[in-house]
Amino acid sequence: NAGVMQNPRHLVRRRGQEARLRCSPMKGHSHVYWYRQLPEEGLKFMVYLQKENIIDESGMPKERFSAEFPKEGPSILRIQQVVRGDSAAYFCASSLGQGRMNEQFFGPGTRLTVL
Amino acid sequence: GENVEQHPSTLSVQEGDSAVIKCTYSDSASNYFPWYKQELGKRPQLIIDIRSNVGEKKDQRIAVTLNKTAKHFSLHITETQPEDSAVYFCAASIRRAGGTSYGKLTFGQGTILTVHP
Repeated sequence: NAGVMQNPRHLVRRRGQEARLRCSPMKGHSHVYWYRQLPEEGLKFMVYLQKENIIDESGMPKERFSAEFPKEGPSILRIQQVVRGDSAAYFCASSLGQGRMNEQFFGPGTRLTVL
Repeated sequence: GENVEQHPSTLSVQEGDSAVIKCTYSDSASNYFPWYKQELGKRPQLIIDIRSNVGEKKDQRIAVTLNKTAKHFSLHITETQPEDSAVYFCAASIRRAGGTSYGKLTFGQGTILTVHP
């Protein structure tokens, strides 16, 4: 049973370009969370999605950032017109959403560097 | 919203000693408290968690205690080993059935633990 998958693992973009980060949850998991980790800081919640629905996007900047989790395929975190301050590690986590309370399993992360 | 404070930010111990990391939270509705270990460049990995209906939980050399009244919880690692060296994060979560905050983890700032051989 594969764990949470993220790709790409490393992404380099120039200012103004778009970044697309993908997350495939663990098999059977229908809840996906995205977190951002700035260098030498903790993880900050961005958005929580279930299949085809955004449940909580309170941690996501209102502009340039969007997320989706379609019925088929991975969850996508999209950053438009990237700026240097977007450079960070972006982790997604998935959970079963029922039974064992809220245990979240993290992917390996995508390290975004904006030049 | 929830706020989680974690101390100390760095902790250095000798192999075999115990290590204690403490966290406080602000929202009394928080009812789930996981601890994650993150090695350099790797993903956070769940090492232990505790729910608000339990005061203490142990798993081999790791234990977590929770004081709901004081709103703080602690991670205890006994007989530390060099491979315990990593960044440790505490987190808190509120589960409200059907509510929008379900599942969201609020993390502490992290503790860099170094175990010297």
